[in-house]
Amino acid sequence: EADIYQTPRYLVIGTGKKITLECSQTMGHDKMYWYQQDPGMELHLIHYSYGVNSTEKGDLSSESTVSRIRTEHFPLTLESARPSHTSQYLCASTDGTGGDTEAFFGQGTRLTVV
Amino acid sequence: RKEVEQDPGPFNVPEGATVAFNCTYSNSASQSFFWYRQDCRKEPKLLMSVYSSGNEDGRFTAQLNRASQYISLLIRDSKLSDSATYLCVVNGDSGYALNFGKGTSLLVTP
Repeated sequence: EADIYQTPRYLVIGTGKKITLECSQTMGHDKMYWYQQDPGMELHLIHYSYGVNSTEKGDLSSESTVSRIRTEHFPLTLESARPSHTSQYLCASTDGTGGDTEAFFGQGTRLTVV
Repeated sequence: RKEVEQDPGPFNVPEGATVAFNCTYSNSASQSFFWYRQDCRKEPKLLMSVYSSGNEDGRFTAQLNRASQYISLLIRDSKLSDSATYLCVVNGDSGYALNFGKGTSLLVTP
């Protein structure tokens, strides 16, 4: 069982609200990722991090921001939620030492903006 | 061009059938290859890593062809529970650890 956790699992929120999606892992992994996935569609990488104080934007442009102050924690923030942000957000981590290994995913946060 | 290309399917097969998925990748320097499985509305989970010599895990066999830059997944004796989306994953350049294909949808029917 992967030791990577996302909260909340489900979130319904009004337009214009600020939200933070939490992601924590206890595996000591350096690399962490945020993916966005609509139902039945492919995964899109929106942010990643190589380690503490490292954050990069992914392939898909996103209005969200991330931070990496601690190894185990990689929160994603939307300053002003819009209906277009409705999607599933998946956090993942990999052990970046000695080459790339499998990615472990959290269970996801299903976000609905009304 | 995406770094990882997969036939999206869907593949509809009867129980007991053998089905094969292929995936091509563009970065010849890639070193790590995986197949993931994703059930509807769930997170992706590792099905198997793909090694240069090919590897087998029960009914599942993965192969890597570096010269042609493709990997394959063979599922024998399909079960209803094999119905899912299968994602081809390859490590990429530019510091990205993993590139995911769009996924191939499999539906095994009674």
